[in-house]
Amino acid sequence: EVQLVESGGGLVQPGGSLRLSCAASGLPLDYYSMNWVRQAPGKGLEWFSYVSSSGSTIYYADSVKGRFTISRDNAKNSLYLQMNSLRDDDTAVYYCARDRPGSQYPKWFDPWGQGTLVTVSS
Amino acid sequence: QSVLTQPPSVSAAPGQKVIISCSGSSSNIGNNYVSWYQQFPGTAPKLLIYENNKRPSGIPDRFSASKSGTSATLGITGLQTGDEADYHCGTWDSSLSAYVFGTGTKVTVL
Repeated sequence: EVQLVESGGGLVQPGGSLRLSCAASGLPLDYYSMNWVRQAPGKGLEWFSYVSSSGSTIYYADSVKGRFTISRDNAKNSLYLQMNSLRDDDTAVYYCARDRPGSQYPKWFDPWGQGTLVTVSS
Repeated sequence: QSVLTQPPSVSAAPGQKVIISCSGSSSNIGNNYVSWYQQFPGTAPKLLIYENNKRPSGIPDRFSASKSGTSATLGITGLQTGDEADYHCGTWDSSLSAYVFGTGTKVTVL
């Protein structure tokens, strides 16, 4: 069974940085594109970043463009998210999610990690 | 503000049927596959439907979905108390170059 486990969340001050990791077990991620999705407290889901299997294609939502960087290390079967210039409205549970094989843009997400909470507050 | 609109809530008695709508535009639902996700409180979303109407392995056929034009619908028949959850639609938006989710719908079993 494929399992995704996020880590790296926590409390950070506005303007600060945080790096999230997503480790996969049960299946190599090489063939799969990956995504980051977040959910602010009491709110809906917000997709905000995608990386293709090779890392050659990356998309960001406008809300994080220029502040967040998605990356992956297929040798380590892991996905990463570097978050800089964090703002109060970045407070959310952050999920990594695997995309369908061979996709060149987000198609559908399965499975999802359990999520990691990022709280931006002074 | 989401570009896909869902009703905030729907409800029905056990055994009955509910239908959840997801309204978009030609740049998203009209020209891309729609997927649906089920989310219980405090847990991660789970894929329910992909490519408009396909169920992943393990999803019961009580869950069905369709797409017509710029709208999509998710139906749940034989409603059970265990179906009480939030349901989200999602699709790629070609104009935004972004994946967009619906506003989410809470299903309540009366």
